[in-house]
Amino acid sequence: AQSVTQPDIHITVSEGASLELRCNYSYGATPYLFWYVQSPGQGLQLLLKYFSGDTLVQGIKGFEAEFKRSQSSFNLRKPSVHWSDAAEYFCAVGARNQAGTALIFGKGTTLSVSS
Amino acid sequence: DTAVSQTPKYLVTQMGNDKSIKCEQNLGHDTMYWYKQDSKKFLKIMFSYNNKELIINETVPNRFSPKSPDKAHLNLHINSLELGDSAVYFCASSQTDNSPLHFGNGTRLTVT
Repeated sequence: AQSVTQPDIHITVSEGASLELRCNYSYGATPYLFWYVQSPGQGLQLLLKYFSGDTLVQGIKGFEAEFKRSQSSFNLRKPSVHWSDAAEYFCAVGARNQAGTALIFGKGTTLSVSS
Repeated sequence: DTAVSQTPKYLVTQMGNDKSIKCEQNLGHDTMYWYKQDSKKFLKIMFSYNNKELIINETVPNRFSPKSPDKAHLNLHINSLELGDSAVYFCASSQTDNSPLHFGNGTRLTVT
């Protein structure tokens, strides 16, 4: 069955420091991969997506992610974190089955930014 | 302009009541979804509609009934509300079923 694992429940990073959020997926075919961010009381905003091609994808707000098929990973990175990046981050895989395609989400990583 | 809008934003009701949440998207997308986010922030798909046709119906109690009058609207009706239904419900849409989802801001349902 398709699944997404985000091993880190909560991460705290100092403002200006680099960030890496981990994501591992389980999917039999070529996955469609996404990272979303959720600020408190808000919906989810797409940061970036991977469908095919270049395995390093750039997103909004200075984020990037690298697809590594051999490791079944799609980790999110940012070279310098800003206080406004504090939020919940979700990794997701587009999983197709007989009924259609749904996004399967990981359980999220809460990012706190310290000054 | 709001791309995916849900109403109401907050909904507080008592057990046993029936309530509806409305969702509209102005993006021209063909596919719409309902997701449930529980108290631990875990997001799980409930339903998916493509051009008014039900595509995905996950293991959801039949007290939950989605209705899509046209491809821009997907409403969620819940009968006989239970305490465990308390959650944030998100509507979303996408151009195709593999495209990124655009989410509404959610409806926080509290059942007392």
